[in-house]
Amino acid sequence: DAGVIQSPRHEVTEMGQEVTLRCKPISGHDYLFWYRQTMMRGLELLIYFNNNVPIDDSGMPEDRFSAKMPNASFSTLKIQPSEPRDSAVYFCASSRDTNQPQHFGDGTRLSIL
Amino acid sequence: GNSVTQMEGPVTLSEEAFLTINCTYTATGYPSLFWYVQYPGEGLQLLLKATKADDKGSNKGFEATYRKETTSFHLEKGSVQVSDSAVYFCALSEYNFNKFYFGSGTKLNVKP
Repeated sequence: DAGVIQSPRHEVTEMGQEVTLRCKPISGHDYLFWYRQTMMRGLELLIYFNNNVPIDDSGMPEDRFSAKMPNASFSTLKIQPSEPRDSAVYFCASSRDTNQPQHFGDGTRLSIL
Repeated sequence: GNSVTQMEGPVTLSEEAFLTINCTYTATGYPSLFWYVQYPGEGLQLLLKATKADDKGSNKGFEATYRKETTSFHLEKGSVQVSDSAVYFCALSEYNFNKFYFGSGTKLNVKP
């Protein structure tokens, strides 16, 4: 079975540029989650979707961050404009329902110079 | 509010030592509890889970028992290996409240 697929694996860009991270969840999973992981703040839930609808975006740091899920097999997390403090590893995860474990992708390591 | 608290690391052990990583939680309902493991450069992977009080989750020699009376879900392994070196996360989900919480992670270093 294919797991959660994230792209790109690594992204290095300059401050001010737009960054788009992509995620393909496991087929049949109704929940999709975006996390950010840093040494300082650990693992933070940014937003999650149920059946393509955003349910809780209270973890999105500010208006520069936006996430979409246009269909059941694809989601994006966009940062515009990017800043050096956005540098982190961003994970996407999916699950069948809220009582089931989440399956994580391998993450996107983002560096903003 | 709901939360998960786990012991700070890093934890450094010699091979074949006994491992305990403490995890306690607060929850308003009846959460499911999980342990995840993260190896360097990878995402989190489910290690084990328990969905109700007194359940014991186990996998790869690791065990954790859902203790409602002490609101704990401590991770244990009788004999660790170098390959167990990773970061371990305790987590809970509350079905009725659509809430998910991860602990801060505990780094385990196992020396040969």
